[in-house]
Parts: sequence; C-alpha cells; structure tokens
Amino acid sequence: ILNVEQSPQSLHVQEGDSTNFTCSFPSSNFYALHWYRWETAKSPEALFVMTLNGDEKKKGRISATLNTKEGYSYLYIKGSQPEDSATYLCAFNTNAGKSTFGDGTTLTVKP
Amino acid sequence: DTGVSQDPRHKITKRGQNVTFRCDPISEHNRLYWYRQTLGQGPEFLTYFQNEAQLEKSRLLSDRFSAERPKGSFSTLEIQRTEQGDSAMYLCASSAPGQGVETQYFGPGTRLLVL
Repeated sequence: ILNVEQSPQSLHVQEGDSTNFTCSFPSSNFYALHWYRWETAKSPEALFVMTLNGDEKKKGRISATLNTKEGYSYLYIKGSQPEDSATYLCAFNTNAGKSTFGDGTTLTVKP
Repeated sequence: DTGVSQDPRHKITKRGQNVTFRCDPISEHNRLYWYRQTLGQGPEFLTYFQNEAQLEKSRLLSDRFSAERPKGSFSTLEIQRTEQGDSAMYLCASSAPGQGVETQYFGPGTRLLVL
C-alpha cells in the first residue's frame, strides 16, 4: 500500500500571507506527482504535474517543487487571496494509470 | 461544456437498494477512472478503463461494485445491495494518451447517501 501524506491538514491565513504545504510520497518507483485544487461544489482542478527530480512549476502566484530522491513536494502560494481557499491534493503515480492521493490540505484565506 | 460530466450529482437511497452512476468523459479521452472520496480523506482509487477494457480494479472494491464501459465512451458504476458505509462522493476522471504524463480531468462527482 502506497502512503502519500500531506501536511498540514488545514491552514488558516490572512489575505496577503504567503503559505506552503508539503506532500510526502514513497521515493521508490516514482513516475509522476500531481497537484490538484478542489474548491467546494466544483471538480478537482489539475494545477501541476511533475516528473523530474528538481522540477519547479509555476502558475501565477502558485508554485511547486519536487524532490524524488527524498520523496517530497512543496506547494507555495504567494500573497494568498480569498479565492485561493480550497483543498489542495497531491497524487502520486508509479505508472501511467491510477493515482494515489493524499488526504489534502484545506486552506482558508480570511479577507 | 466539454468537460467530464457525471449523473446524478446526488443520490439518496435506502440500505439494500441498487444504485447506478454514469460518467461521460471528455470525448477524445481513452482512459477513464473511478475514485471514491469520504469526508476528510483524499480520493481512493476504485478502477480504471482504457477504451472498453477494465485494466485495474482495487482490492478494496467488493463484489457488490461493478463498472462497465461497453463502447469505450461513457462508463457506469453500479453498487448492489448498498450499505451505509458506501456513503461517499464518487468521482470520475478521464485522460488522453500523449507525450509525457497524462493529466486526469475530473467530473463534479456523485454524492451518495445510504440511509
């Protein structure tokens, strides 16, 4: 059974704060690591997919890094806004098929 | 809207009844996945198809669960003799083969409540 862990479980920040979350995954049999944003009553939305050790991806104020040797990825949000409030999920793949998800980090950004 | 759609969005049923959910993937996507998500946890893999072939099925999936994708397009997930523990959000996702790693595109889910 693959163990994908995310921390913290939840986070409350003020508008304008920068924040980061962690995703830990097995360091063996790595194929890909995905980050998703899941807003209430909507579909999970893909943010990033990363495959190479040292990968860094960026989308606006959100960025992610990947360390496959030690089995972790960080997601950073710079200058959080209320619309960033969501659950952020990471998902680990050992092949092109199924993903194993973490339990998510729920972010609440207060105006 | 050409995204992944799921029907129904909500289902309330009594214990022991059968339920069936439908997923329509993005039209050119040949892979289709089913996941189950319960409160406070991430989505849990159930099964996936490549075209009409069911390639993998979770060992966590009991014999009461069956999924089909008869023509390689839409898929159905049936739960027979529902139990209260089946209450969850059932998510469908699809992906297309291409260069590099595939991104899975999710539907809005079907929320099941078993009374």
